[in-house]
Amino acid sequence: QVQLVQSGAEVKKPGASLKVSCKTSGYTFTNNFIHWVRQAPGQGLEWMGQINPRDGTTDYPQHLQGRVTLTRDTSTSTVYMELSVLTSEDTAVYYCAKDGGAYGDNAYWGQGTLVTVSS
Amino acid sequence: QPALTQPPSASGSPGQSVTISCTGTSSDVGFYNYVSWYQQHPGKAPKLMIYEVTKRPSGVPYRFSGSKSGNTASLTVSGLQAEDEADYFCSSYAGRGTYVFGTGTRVTVL
Repeated sequence: QVQLVQSGAEVKKPGASLKVSCKTSGYTFTNNFIHWVRQAPGQGLEWMGQINPRDGTTDYPQHLQGRVTLTRDTSTSTVYMELSVLTSEDTAVYYCAKDGGAYGDNAYWGQGTLVTVSS
Repeated sequence: QPALTQPPSASGSPGQSVTISCTGTSSDVGFYNYVSWYQQHPGKAPKLMIYEVTKRPSGVPYRFSGSKSGNTASLTVSGLQAEDEADYFCSSYAGRGTYVFGTGTRVTVL
């Protein structure tokens, strides 16, 4: 069965960087895009970007360009999300999600990773 | 890319229908037939309910349906059940590989 398992909760200082992993299994890793979505406490969902595991190409929203980087390791079927220059506004639950091959059909999600940014 | 606009709340009694709107622009909702809807219960990951405006993934009940007119997409839940009480988010492809989510709607079953 398809599984996306994310790394554990993190506490970071302002100005630090964050790296969250998303280990996938149960399907062919290079066949489907992986998206990252975050949700600040009590707030809505925010799309952070996507990566094509086949060739590593990425897309990011304009407001996160230069601060977020998605990478993948095909040997372990794992995708990584790095976010730099953290502020308290980056405190959120971060999710990875696998699309189904169509646009926006993210049917499989990781369990979420709580990231707290605090001095 | 500003978030798509959804009403903060919607409600209905069991068995009734509720419709949630999702308003974007001619660059996202109005241009692409790539609107998705997600259901989220407290403390849980989102669950895909509708994609490509009207398509239901396997396992999603038939009482969930989607539509679109111009720059506004809609999700209708017919025959409301207690377990439908949740937050609902729309999402649209916005071109150049990017996506945007809606502001979210809390559905209450009275």
